[in-house]
Amino acid sequence: GESVGLHLPTLSVQEGDNSIINCAYSNSASDYFIWYKQESGKGPQFIIDIRSNMDKRQGQRVTVLLNKTVKHLSLQIAATQPGDSAVYFCAEIEGNTPLVFGKGTRLSVIA
Amino acid sequence: ETGVTQTPRHLVMGMTNKKSLKCEQHLGHNAMYWYKQSAKKPLELMFVYNFKEQTENNSVPSRFSPECPNSSHLFLHLHTLQPEDSALYLCASSQDPGDIHGYTFGSGTRLTVV
Repeated sequence: GESVGLHLPTLSVQEGDNSIINCAYSNSASDYFIWYKQESGKGPQFIIDIRSNMDKRQGQRVTVLLNKTVKHLSLQIAATQPGDSAVYFCAEIEGNTPLVFGKGTRLSVIA
Repeated sequence: ETGVTQTPRHLVMGMTNKKSLKCEQHLGHNAMYWYKQSAKKPLELMFVYNFKEQTENNSVPSRFSPECPNSSHLFLHLHTLQPEDSALYLCASSQDPGDIHGYTFGSGTRLTVV
């Protein structure tokens, strides 16, 4: 896959368990924080975003938490499935400037 | 298919070659981007075009030369590359750079410089 070879932190999770992927950011002025998923052989795809004035946002099976005090963002995936295996990137946007990505975490789901 | 198409999917080139990467989108987006994905810096922004004008060049070496002839097409011309330039080159588009929901990525071109 196209993300193979990346030197990334890896999270291994049993199928059906919940996953928590963490991200630290540096720009306090970011307006939005976004999570992207990159499957093997594909480009990153939008999962969920959170505005900087929010602490929590829920989507379908995913929840994003934002802790501005420690500049920390997390993505929680409920009942992790094999199809969730991918590399997950956090990203941030300030105003009309382009998306800036964090380092990424590889999630491996054990069946 | 995401609506952003990149060609070729794979490219092997020598250090003295000249090649071009192509990106095409028919999503009606006004902004297009080149990102580099490598082991050292997973998703590194290279160039930004908004309404066909280059608005950002993130200190990219001149051996990489972008071209945006219209809002649907973006090229990355490659010349005298180094082995460390081997990476996955991703193209993306969005309505504008601040569009949080709308960055659509292509599948990338895997470039190997030998």
